[in-house]
Formats: sequence, C-alpha cells, structure tokens
Amino acid sequence: DTAVSQTPKYLVTQMGNDKSIKCEQNLGHDTMYWYKQDSKKFLKIMFSYNNKELIINETVPNRFSPKSPDKAHLNLHINSLELGDSAVYFCASSQFSTGTGGFNQQFFGPGTRLTVL
Amino acid sequence: AQSVTQLGSHVSVSEGALVLLRCNYSSSVPPYLFWYVQYPNQGLQLLLKYTSAATLVKGINGFEAEFKKSETSFHLTKPSAHMSDAAEYFCALSGGYNKLIFGAGTRLAVHP
Repeated sequence: DTAVSQTPKYLVTQMGNDKSIKCEQNLGHDTMYWYKQDSKKFLKIMFSYNNKELIINETVPNRFSPKSPDKAHLNLHINSLELGDSAVYFCASSQFSTGTGGFNQQFFGPGTRLTVL
Repeated sequence: AQSVTQLGSHVSVSEGALVLLRCNYSSSVPPYLFWYVQYPNQGLQLLLKYTSAATLVKGINGFEAEFKKSETSFHLTKPSAHMSDAAEYFCALSGGYNKLIFGAGTRLAVHP
C-alpha cells in the first residue's frame, strides 16, 4: 500500500564510505525527486528525473549520483561521504510538469536519515 | 529568483487558541503555493495548495490559507489549535519542472 518508499530508513556510516539510498513509488508517476533536509530542517531540491531522464540537477557535489533504472525507481548513490552529508533525504514523485502550465502534487517518502561519523 | 520566507522559526500557542503561521513569497510569475506539515520523524504531508483559483484555500485538519498578491503572502491559519497540531510546517512555492522551493519551516508548539 505504501505509495513512496525508501530504504533504508536509517543509515549510519563512516566518513569516506560510499552508500546508496533506494526509492520506489507505486503511484504510476513518471517523475521522481530527491530533496535534502539539513540539521536545521531546511529542505532543498537536489535532483529530478522524468522517464529516467535527469531534468533537475541543482548545485550538488558530483559525489552525489542519482540513478533511475525505470520510472518507478530513483536511487541516490553517494561517494566519499563527508560529515556535512549528514541529513534526512526525501524522495518524492509526481506526474511530470514543466511548472509553467500547472503543478502536479508531489508525494513524499518517509525519509532516510543519514548520519556520517 | 523565486524564494519563500517564513517569519518565525518557532510559534507557541495554547490549546484552543488561533494558529497563525506566516509565509511570504517572491516570484516573477504567478505562483503555485503550498503548505506541508511534517510530524516528528515522518515525511511531508500536503495540508493545502493554492493554484490560482480561490484565494482562500481550505485544507485538511481545519487549516486554511489566504493568498494575498498585494502582500505576496500566503499565511496559514487554524481557528483553534489542538495538541496534535504540534509539528513543523513548511510553506513552499512551485519552481520550474515542478520542483518545490521551501521556506525554512516553522515549528508549532501547542501547550495545554
């Protein structure tokens, strides 16, 4: 029944490690997003994929690499983890919109809390 | 550039009192505006949205918000706070390609 799911829910790792977070949606949407929520609760878009094509790529270090094997999945791989990467990462999905003619509601996953030691 | 400003990072009200959470936006194009709620250790839930129809928007859990273009505001209100309303509230603006631009959030505390 879960609409947008993320695994794992919690991730604790050492600096320098490489880790991945997985996201899956069963809403039939064609667009997925990654947002980062920092320790002060500030939320910021990182990436968005539409039909496996990258359409939003904000100023994110290239240690972060999203991968979308199909429309229902969007994974986030992080290389050489740093202390500053500690945050909650939210996945979301929606139907595609350019944003100029309308807006399609985004549905959020429960988040993955990443702690880098 | 588009941006959202939420005035007051913490708001505390008594149970039964009026809730008012402030949000101002900056946008060069007609905006779509949203309020999301985040309960502790949970994801984001949409409370309500403004999409250029009625300026007074009603949402879930008794919340409503009024879009005021002249003031570039989209404040969230609820006539009577309940303990279960305690959460983090985010105002957001739609950007290109459907992305959301969030304000910094307001933590609402409700005390007996």
